Amino acid sequence: ETAVFQTPNYHVTQVGNEVSFNCKQTLGHDTMYWYKQDSKKLLKIMFSYNNKQLIVNETVPRRFSPQSSDKAHLNLRIKSVEPEDSAVYLCASKANTEVFFGKGTRLTVV
Amino acid sequence: QQQVRQSPQSLTVWEGETAILNCSYEDSTFNYFPWYQQFPGEGPALLISISSVSDKKEDGRFTIFFNKREKKLSLHITDSQPGDSATYFCAADTNAYKVIFGKGTHLHVLP
Repeated sequence: ETAVFQTPNYHVTQVGNEVSFNCKQTLGHDTMYWYKQDSKKLLKIMFSYNNKQLIVNETVPRRFSPQSSDKAHLNLRIKSVEPEDSAVYLCASKANTEVFFGKGTRLTVV
Repeated sequence: QQQVRQSPQSLTVWEGETAILNCSYEDSTFNYFPWYQQFPGEGPALLISISSVSDKKEDGRFTIFFNKREKKLSLHITDSQPGDSATYFCAADTNAYKVIFGKGTHLHVLP
């Protein structure tokens, strides 16, 4: 049963546009993440939040900005998308040792 | 740089055979190693995990073998089934709000 909800499932946009992805978890976890998964399935952590505070910010372009209104929500905004941003963006939350992933948002930049 | 390495990149076995997926890491401070299974169109899901104080963890057909001295792990899937066809990720928990994933092994189980 899914407990990490992401919207939208898919998004196609043109180079230079701005996009926003939403994520909500209903597990009551304090820690949330954004991961990027490329076409080869490589999973790279982008951001880590704990109780709506940014904890980890990996080396990602500045056009990516996470936003957290409370510990259950973690959104991702991309200003001026570029072709290399095409990927699946996975939101996740963590309790103790287990990470729970959403189904992802597939972004295609044309 | 913290890294988790996996091999092979792709593995094909026949139904009923044992699939062996390998993983190694560099940072000796890693102390917890989950394996995640991902099907197409889904996010990864926890399959089985082991802490660094153990050398073996078994759950049904899935077994992790852990060699702390060599910093190596392996996931054995016995009696492989076509439904096991998926991508398997070895990961390391850094206890620093960051879980590091390997590049994954794509497993294909042929009927």
